[in-house]
Formats: sequence, C-alpha cells, structure tokens
Amino acid sequence: DIVMTQTPLSSPVTLGQPASISCRSSQSLVHSDGNTYLSWLQQRPGQPPRLLIYKISNRFSGVPDRFSGSGAGTDFTLKISRVEAEDVGVYYCMQATQFPFLTFGGGTKVEIK
Amino acid sequence: QVQLQESGPGLVKPSQTLSLTCTVSGGSISSGGYYWSWIRQHPGKGLEWIGYIYYSGSTYYNPSLKSRVTISVDTSKNQFSLKLSSVTAADTAVYYCARLAAQLGGVDYWGQGTLVTVSS
Repeated sequence: DIVMTQTPLSSPVTLGQPASISCRSSQSLVHSDGNTYLSWLQQRPGQPPRLLIYKISNRFSGVPDRFSGSGAGTDFTLKISRVEAEDVGVYYCMQATQFPFLTFGGGTKVEIK
Repeated sequence: QVQLQESGPGLVKPSQTLSLTCTVSGGSISSGGYYWSWIRQHPGKGLEWIGYIYYSGSTYYNPSLKSRVTISVDTSKNQFSLKLSSVTAADTAVYYCARLAAQLGGVDYWGQGTLVTVSS
C-alpha cells in the first residue's frame, strides 16, 4: 500500500502571507501511463472536501489561482500564495496512481494566526 | 453541475448492517470514466476510502473493509448504495458519496455527507 505523509500537521498563517504544505508518498506516484495521479483537497469546517488540484498541478474548475501544486515522483507541495480567511480548513493530498486503491494523507490544518 | 446526496439511517445498532444510498443528479451515473465512491471520515479524523463501483457493476473495495462491504448501483434510478455489515462503534463516521473522475485521478464531486452513529 502507498502511504501518504503530510507535513506540517498544522500551519498558522498571517492573512495575506503564503502557506506551503508538503506531501510525501512511500513510493513513486508515476503511473505506467505517464501521469502522476496526485491531487489536493480542501475541507472547510463543517463542509465536505473539495477538489483543488489534480495531477500534481492542474487547478480544478473555479479554484482561485492563488492555489498551486508542484512536485514529482514522491514529493509534492501545495502552495497558497496569499492566504485569505476563506482558506481556513484542512488540506489533504490523495493518490490514485495505485488504482483501484485510493489513499489520503493525514491532513494539514491551515489556521489564521 | 453534478450533485450527490446521501440518504439513510443516522443510527445503527451494533452487529447490524449500515445501509446508505447516494442519489446523483445533474449527470448520468452511466457515463463512462467515473467511479462512484464511498469515503468516510471518523469524527475529527482524516479520510478513508471504502470502495467504488463503475456503472457496469464492477466494484473495488478497501482491503481492510472488503469482507463487510457491498456497493451496488441502480442505473435506472441514478443511484448507488453502500452496505456495511457487522458494524461496531468504530464504524461511527461521516459517510460521503463522491465521484472519482478517472481522467483527472481526482474526486471531483462530493455529497454533503451523512453522520452514521453505531450505538445500542
């Protein structure tokens, strides 16, 4: 099984400042088809998760461009260029490379200082 | 805009079977390229994939739950369902139905989630 490890567990950020979340997989997420099926989800308090980024760096429909994803192989990063109040919540990485098995990272809580 | 809505009992007794249904609107469950999923979240915890079904009826389950899980689809009603047998308090969680888009490799639409409590 692929294990997804996120750091930090919690990230207190000042409004308007950047935030960065790391996700590491226990094995390469490069699929045999050449794609890397690593996505990022945001879960605001009391809400279901929402897809932000898919295949490392592609923003899903309606996602603000302050969110960006990067990385390759086993190391990935989600960046928020300027944190806004509505960005408070828990962020998860997820791998679908090992289809049909999905695994999620443990989550990183973004909160305002 | 695809929408998913879970329905089912919010309270289940230990050893009984948890049953939930997800109704899909704004799109056909028979569209290829999507896997109709169940994902749960224990209170205050992270996300756990339970399993999914393709419109053809092919199913895939989390090995840790496989012996207790059945997912089925009713394309005529645009619904898919989850049954989890022999539940214990450890199965208390918010259960989400969601859509995994194969081309994206991401879960692009989620239901609001329903809390299921296992208690006598």
